Amino acid sequence: GAVVSQHPSWVICKSGTSVKIECRSLDFQATTMFWYRQFPKQSLMLMATSNEGSKATYEQGVEKDKFLINHASLTLSTLTVTSAHPEDSSFYICSSYRGDTEAFFGQGTRLTVV
Amino acid sequence: GQNIDQPTEMTATEGAIVQINCTYQTSGFNGLFWYQQHAGEAPTFLSYNVLDGLEEKGRFSSFLSRSKGYSYLLLKELQMKDSASYLCAVRDGDYKLSFGAGTTVTVRA
Repeated sequence: GAVVSQHPSWVICKSGTSVKIECRSLDFQATTMFWYRQFPKQSLMLMATSNEGSKATYEQGVEKDKFLINHASLTLSTLTVTSAHPEDSSFYICSSYRGDTEAFFGQGTRLTVV
Repeated sequence: GQNIDQPTEMTATEGAIVQINCTYQTSGFNGLFWYQQHAGEAPTFLSYNVLDGLEEKGRFSSFLSRSKGYSYLLLKELQMKDSASYLCAVRDGDYKLSFGAGTTVTVRA
């Protein structure tokens, strides 16, 4: 079964509103959570890395004020897309390692901004 | 940064073998992963190589040559359900994964 649970699976929101995506590690402590974005027919692009109890680090070109990441516990990391616009419509996926090599992905969240 | 190249598409017949190549140029190397991704779904783990050589897991095998910056994923006894996108990903020292654009494999009956 899934070891990283991501919710919601899909969401449609109006332009200008905010959307929160949650990722939970189910049977291990996720010290670090990676957040990716995937546009249609493109590969996954790393957006940011969140570490429990500290500020997230963002990849170049990703707006930290738009994509708020919180990693308040060892089992929960959240990504909030603030003031969403149609160009933010994408597939958002979280990932964490259980051990050194097992990188598990959440189920993904398909965001559509209308 | 990472530069990862893999073919865009491959087509093969059910029961055949297909080899997906991946070349990479990286600023740091801490392992190479292969993932399978069906449309609209999250990637699922297939294999991991950190040392040179071949790793075999059932119908799937993966090879790595660090000196050449080269890996391949071998899919044997292809089944229709193997039609998917296959992603090559390189991990750096910070455990960040950089993905190739993916290879779409189409299996024909």
